[in-house]
Amino acid sequence: DTAVSQTPKYLVTQMGNDKSIKCEQNLGHDTMYWYKQDSKKFLKIMFSYNNKELIINETVPNRFSPKSPDKAHLNLHINSLELGDSAVYFCASSPSGGSYEQYFGPGTRLTVT
Amino acid sequence: GENVEQHPSTLSVQEGDSAVIKCTYSDSASNYFPWYKQELGKRPQLIIDIRSNVGEKKDQRIAVTLNKTAKHFSLHITETQPEDSAVYFCAASITFGNEKLTFGTGTRLTIIP
Repeated sequence: DTAVSQTPKYLVTQMGNDKSIKCEQNLGHDTMYWYKQDSKKFLKIMFSYNNKELIINETVPNRFSPKSPDKAHLNLHINSLELGDSAVYFCASSPSGGSYEQYFGPGTRLTVT
Repeated sequence: GENVEQHPSTLSVQEGDSAVIKCTYSDSASNYFPWYKQELGKRPQLIIDIRSNVGEKKDQRIAVTLNKTAKHFSLHITETQPEDSAVYFCAASITFGNEKLTFGTGTRLTIIP
């Protein structure tokens, strides 16, 4: 009965590679998010989708491309990985927008070597 | 855009004592203020939230106060226990704006047994 799930949990890859992280929620929420948490624990929003439509796109390099095939799934594809991309990436969902409880996934720890 | 500042960055308190974490926000239109707790290696989870139409909210040992005039809000934890040790994040958003949740920089709370 996992609410928000992400795969993989750990991802170790070399600079220059392309990788994807998948996220699924079974809460029936309309809105999903991607956050990046760096080594200092800062939580920064990257993208937000509402019912498959992109509504928030922060200042993120265009190497990062989110895709939402349906409102229960939000994937993140990263091209040409760089050392600075190493972080924990959290997916989250909420009933509608940022003014309601956000349910976070377990996180994906990405290490770029 | 919204800017949320959080203090202190680290806090150590004796078990049984109280802990207070303070946040200030910049956008007077913000009207939703949640607090998230993140235990080591885990996902952030909502512990309490407050909307701008109230000044205080309590849930057992935790309480949040909001001063809209001064644009600051605080988390109060009483009778602290070892399981309260975690990183705490405040956040702010605007309902019916783009509803982006802007997080503070986090407070690492350590409860000393």
